[in-house]
Amino acid sequence: DAGITQSPRYKITETGRQVTLMCHQTWSHSYMFWYRQDLGHGLRLIYYSAAADITDKGEVPDGYVVSRSKTENFPLTLESATRSQTSVYFCASSEPQGGRKVEQYFGPGTRLTVT
Amino acid sequence: QKEVEQDPGPLSVPEGAIVSLNCTYSNSAFQYFMWYRQYSRKGPELLMYTYSSGNKEDGRFTAQVDKSSKYISLFIRDSQPSDSATYLCAMSAGSGYSTLTFGKGTMLLVSP
Repeated sequence: DAGITQSPRYKITETGRQVTLMCHQTWSHSYMFWYRQDLGHGLRLIYYSAAADITDKGEVPDGYVVSRSKTENFPLTLESATRSQTSVYFCASSEPQGGRKVEQYFGPGTRLTVT
Repeated sequence: QKEVEQDPGPLSVPEGAIVSLNCTYSNSAFQYFMWYRQYSRKGPELLMYTYSSGNKEDGRFTAQVDKSSKYISLFIRDSQPSDSATYLCAMSAGSGYSTLTFGKGTMLLVSP
């Protein structure tokens, strides 16, 4: 039972480079989410997706791109990485049922450093 | 005013103590309330989930919701060093709102 996995777990990249963080879930949950977690800010929602090919912006979407061609995958791309995007990134999924069961399940995180 | 307020701590207690962690919120539409536990360098894991007001107990953990005061609590009885983690509250209006609003987390340290 793999649940939700993220790759890579650690990444160092340079300013201006494109980098993609991968997220895969085995539960067939319809909703998937990307958060970043920074000291003093807590968890902030970047993007989320209600189903394949349906995505929506969260609180801090600038500089990020997402896609969801398959239900189980939700990659997050930093098109031109900046130092301010150094953070820990978490992917999560959920399967709301008629507005209930809104709890989300998180992956282990990707620690990204932009130099 | 932030939608969800949570004291960042750290909260330091001796092993065996009763711990009380709290969040206040401003959005009266919230009706689903969760507590997540996050160990250092790990992802948040769901600990407790409650709907509307009232109490829910699971082993040493009790979640309490007071919607009239817009206040939620997590109590940990007989705290253990393994409970040392950051505890995040999260809430949702449900009914079509799929996103969660999180508190910033309270760091708990339980010393042996």
